[in-house]
Amino acid sequence: AQTVTQSQPEMSVQEAETVTLSCTYDTSENNYYLFWYKQPPSRQMILVIRQEAYKQQNATENRFSVNFQKAAKSFSLKISDSQLGDTAMYFCAFIGRDKRDDKIIFGKGTRLHILP
Amino acid sequence: DGGITQSPKYLFRKEGQNVTLSCEQNLNHDAMYWYRQDPGQGLRLIYYSQIVNDFQKGDIAEGYSVSREKKESFPLTVTSAQKNPTAFYLCASSILSASGANVLTFGAGSRLTVL
Repeated sequence: AQTVTQSQPEMSVQEAETVTLSCTYDTSENNYYLFWYKQPPSRQMILVIRQEAYKQQNATENRFSVNFQKAAKSFSLKISDSQLGDTAMYFCAFIGRDKRDDKIIFGKGTRLHILP
Repeated sequence: DGGITQSPKYLFRKEGQNVTLSCEQNLNHDAMYWYRQDPGQGLRLIYYSQIVNDFQKGDIAEGYSVSREKKESFPLTVTSAQKNPTAFYLCASSILSASGANVLTFGAGSRLTVL
């Protein structure tokens, strides 16, 4: 069974600093997608970024980028020039595509505080 | 505007009662999901459905039931068999793609408290 592990329950950084959130996963599938979702204090979940396992290039969305290490099964999220609005829970998620069962699983989350 | 509507936002239940949480989407998405969120536990999958009249158990299905009679609707019933039902419940949906990303769109959530 696939698992997603986020080893940092909580982090705090100063505004404008760069922060990296860690995520590791375990799977026997070769084709899959990885995601980072953000849940701000409003609790509305939104997609931050996604990465397809077959793409070697790391995904980037403005200040958000990932470091995808397929062999190590690692998928970290880097937030550059952090802003107060980045304060949120961040969840790493996985969906396998070999079996096509459409099951999406999440890690336990990292609570990120951006300090003024 | 297209989206997912969950209701009620807050719900209180006495022990031994069944309650049903509503989830409706007008995105024409094929798949729908129910997750439970507890502090320190992340999102845990309860049930999901890829097509009308069919659904699959997730990792914590015990004490819950669902139906998918219409593409737009995926209600979740929390039964009295669920031993610790107090939690935040999130419904989500996605387009189904055989090899695609299945990006989730989430509702605003329902907070269930058992008194």
